[in-house]
Amino acid sequence: KAGVTQTPRYLIKTRGQQVTLSCSPISGHRSVSWYQQTPGQGLQFLFEYFSETQRNKGNFPGRFSGRQFSNSRSEMNVSTLELGDSALYLCASSLAGGSSYNEQFFGPGTRLTVL
Amino acid sequence: GESVGLHLPTLSVQEGDNSIINCAYSNSASDYFIWYKQESGKGPQFIIDIRSNMDKRQGQRVTVLLNKTVKHLSLQIAATQPGDSAVYFCAEDDNAGNMLTFGGGTRLMVKP
Repeated sequence: KAGVTQTPRYLIKTRGQQVTLSCSPISGHRSVSWYQQTPGQGLQFLFEYFSETQRNKGNFPGRFSGRQFSNSRSEMNVSTLELGDSALYLCASSLAGGSSYNEQFFGPGTRLTVL
Repeated sequence: GESVGLHLPTLSVQEGDNSIINCAYSNSASDYFIWYKQESGKGPQFIIDIRSNMDKRQGQRVTVLLNKTVKHLSLQIAATQPGDSAVYFCAEDDNAGNMLTFGGGTRLMVKP
């Protein structure tokens, strides 16, 4: 079965612009989590969606937002881009939500470069 | 490929040797611990996980050891192969719902 897909794979934007990234989870998976990966900060949790609801949010400013659609596909949006937003944005899907552990499957990521 | 980390600790091993990658975690409430492998240009790939009520778990060529007393996790790779070259991350899940806390990562380089 197909894995997690993310589009686009690469993106170049300038400061002040906004960007939307897309993630399609594995078929049947209902939870989507987003992570930011940078050389300086490593992998950091952004937020998680399950059944179209944001259930958890990491320590990122309000410029970072997301949503999930009824087919479990998710988008994340970053407004008023800053140079420090340059990163690899990873999406992970898992079968279920809830508080118990669920194995997460990661997509290849979207490489965002802010100039 | 993407630069995962410019200043990651690096472990260099000879092909065929065993590798041990270590990780310290911080949250005593974490219930699951997971090891991921990330190759250049790819997202993290699940290797093995262990629940907090266990201290050892084995997979194919890999073993994870958990020491809750000192909050330490290790990944042992037997007979390391060139294809094992990657960055390895430990992660912890505290049952808050699909939000993982990742360690800084270790770059494994396998010399042929």
